Amino acid sequence: SSELTQDPAVSVALGQTVRITCQGDSLRSYYASWYQQKPGQAPVLVIYGKNNRPSGIPDRFSGSSSGNTASLTITGAQAEDEADYYCNSRDSSGNHLNYVFGTGTKVTVL
Amino acid sequence: QVQLQQWGAGLLKPSETLSLTCAVYGGSFSGYYWSWIRQPPGKGLEWIGEINHSGSTNYNPSLKSRVTISVDTSKNQFSLKLSSVTAADTAVYYCARGLTVVVPAAMANWFDPWGQGTLVTVSS
Repeated sequence: SSELTQDPAVSVALGQTVRITCQGDSLRSYYASWYQQKPGQAPVLVIYGKNNRPSGIPDRFSGSSSGNTASLTITGAQAEDEADYYCNSRDSSGNHLNYVFGTGTKVTVL
Repeated sequence: QVQLQQWGAGLLKPSETLSLTCAVYGGSFSGYYWSWIRQPPGKGLEWIGEINHSGSTNYNPSLKSRVTISVDTSKNQFSLKLSSVTAADTAVYYCARGLTVVVPAAMANWFDPWGQGTLVTVSS
């Protein structure tokens, strides 16, 4: 199956901008979706499709894509944005439908 | 607003069968695929499989031989069975609603919302 690779951890100063990347061959054919997960909680969808936010997700979250890389940007990071972030897409390899998640990025807000 | 509530046994012995159920409240059950996703302690997410209201299923090839997902449309519920569990199956298991759409130049999929999660521990 395909893999989606993320940096294990990034840090950002309060109010600054951070970009989280996700790399994988499947992203040439499929948009990534992005999930925020805080300790002990279920993941929450923050970005889907080209750059869409579910209701209730602040507009400081945005998504983009180029080639085999998808990015999640947090513009003006807040303390409550400290969490693990996972990308996800459909798997483009093999003959059977499959979905893959990225390895996850821990975001620390300083 | 759609909500997913899940339940099932949290402690299993090796070789037993894991069984979880997820109920969907407050929204349409048809028109979506309903997935199971798991997360071993301290690790990342793994998609297990999905089912739609008609009973059509897709499974992760790495788990396919042990997984069965079923649906009860009369109750708006879907269930997961994972046979012959080992310690490697210890994880938090989530149910989630999945949607896939075709947009210009690509396909988009996402999972929203998610259930609260159930920790399943496999230990002798």
